[in-house]
Amino acid sequence: SYVLTQPPSVSVAPGKTARITCGGNNIGSKSVHWYQQRPGQAPVLVIYYDRDRPSGIPERFSGSTSGNTATLTISRAEAGDEADYYCQVWNSRLDQGVFGGGTKLTVL
Amino acid sequence: EVQLVESGGNLVQPGGSLRLSCAASGFIFDDYAMHWVRQAPGKGLEWVSGVTWNYDSIAYADSVKGRFTISRDNAKNSLYLQMNSLRVEDTAFYFCARLRNIGGPFDSWGQGTLVTVSS
Repeated sequence: SYVLTQPPSVSVAPGKTARITCGGNNIGSKSVHWYQQRPGQAPVLVIYYDRDRPSGIPERFSGSTSGNTATLTISRAEAGDEADYYCQVWNSRLDQGVFGGGTKLTVL
Repeated sequence: EVQLVESGGNLVQPGGSLRLSCAASGFIFDDYAMHWVRQAPGKGLEWVSGVTWNYDSIAYADSVKGRFTISRDNAKNSLYLQMNSLRVEDTAFYFCARLRNIGGPFDSWGQGTLVTVSS
């Protein structure tokens, strides 16, 4: 089965740039979606199809993919960005969804 | 406004059964594929199952295949998950999620319902 690997945690100072990676075999050939989940809440879509932002998501959130790594970039990090972030792709051969293990972002 | 409201979560013994429901509103339900995603307490997200609007495609995670059955009633704007032969490791919050399009993202989520499997 297809595996997505994320770092368990990332820390960033307020106002700086956080980068959360998502590794997978030839992930650049897949569409990657990113979700933010604050404690006790449902996930929220923040990036879809690698780099598109849903309405209401700040421009500070951006995405990219290259080779075996997808990256969620959060510019000018704010305290409100503290959350768990998950990448997700489709294992199209099996029509199965795949999530990364999640990354806890700390803004300190 | 899109709303997804899950219900049916409960405490059940290992080997038992439970049926989850998800009531949808605010959009044309039979325009979308619908999915279930779960999250064990303190753990990450795990995709469970999905169904297209017309049952053209149904898929399950290997961990639940043969034990769980997904279904939907478009007339009632509802999604279901029948869970049989429940195991301790099925303990989780179960989220109902709308799929934007095939191959796309989950663009709306419910708040989840808690299933606890324990003796």
